[in-house]
Amino acid sequence: EPEVTQTPSHQVTQMGQEVILRCVPISNHLYFYWYRQILGQKVEFLVSFYNNEISEKSEIFDDQFSVERPDGSNFTLKIRSTKLEDSAMYFCASNEETNTEAFFGQGTRLTVV
Amino acid sequence: KQEVTQIPAALSVPEGENLVLNCSFTDSAIYNLQWFRQDPGKGLTSLLLIQSSQREQTSGRLNASLDKSSGRSTLYIAASQPGDSATYLCAVAYYKLSFGAGTTVTVRA
Repeated sequence: EPEVTQTPSHQVTQMGQEVILRCVPISNHLYFYWYRQILGQKVEFLVSFYNNEISEKSEIFDDQFSVERPDGSNFTLKIRSTKLEDSAMYFCASNEETNTEAFFGQGTRLTVV
Repeated sequence: KQEVTQIPAALSVPEGENLVLNCSFTDSAIYNLQWFRQDPGKGLTSLLLIQSSQREQTSGRLNASLDKSSGRSTLYIAASQPGDSATYLCAVAYYKLSFGAGTTVTVRA
């Protein structure tokens, strides 16, 4: 069964360092998303991406964040200069259309120390 | 802005009892509603999706209802088992997903 794959599963980084979280969405999907979940809190929307551009972003997604689809399969989230408060589980998701089922990856746990 | 609320926040039941989990949302302009299961420290497993035009969806012991006009959905889990212990999240879709905080379920053997 097709699935969304995220790497790495865990990432520990020092404050101020750049991190790149990677995702391989399901191959025939057109819409891609990043969400995050701070420990003990709700899952929050960060950004959606379609046709090689951002279609929507939340207030959390500031200039420190960027997304890219560098090739036909990968979808990445870059955090330029990490802060302690960026520590969270980051989930990638994809769907065929905005009104169809969203499939989630298993997440990357980011710890900023 | 869409607000999604799940009640109760936590639930503990003996094995075999039926579970009723509630979700409410403030904006009825949705494409669909998804129920997810999340085990501690893990990812999101999709359980059921109900399209906005549907009233009900069933999968095995799980049944979900949707009343879009009143902004409510209910997830029923029949004959609960200890393996059902997890956090259950509801999320409404309109271009993106808006999540509730979840109901943490404990099924006691």
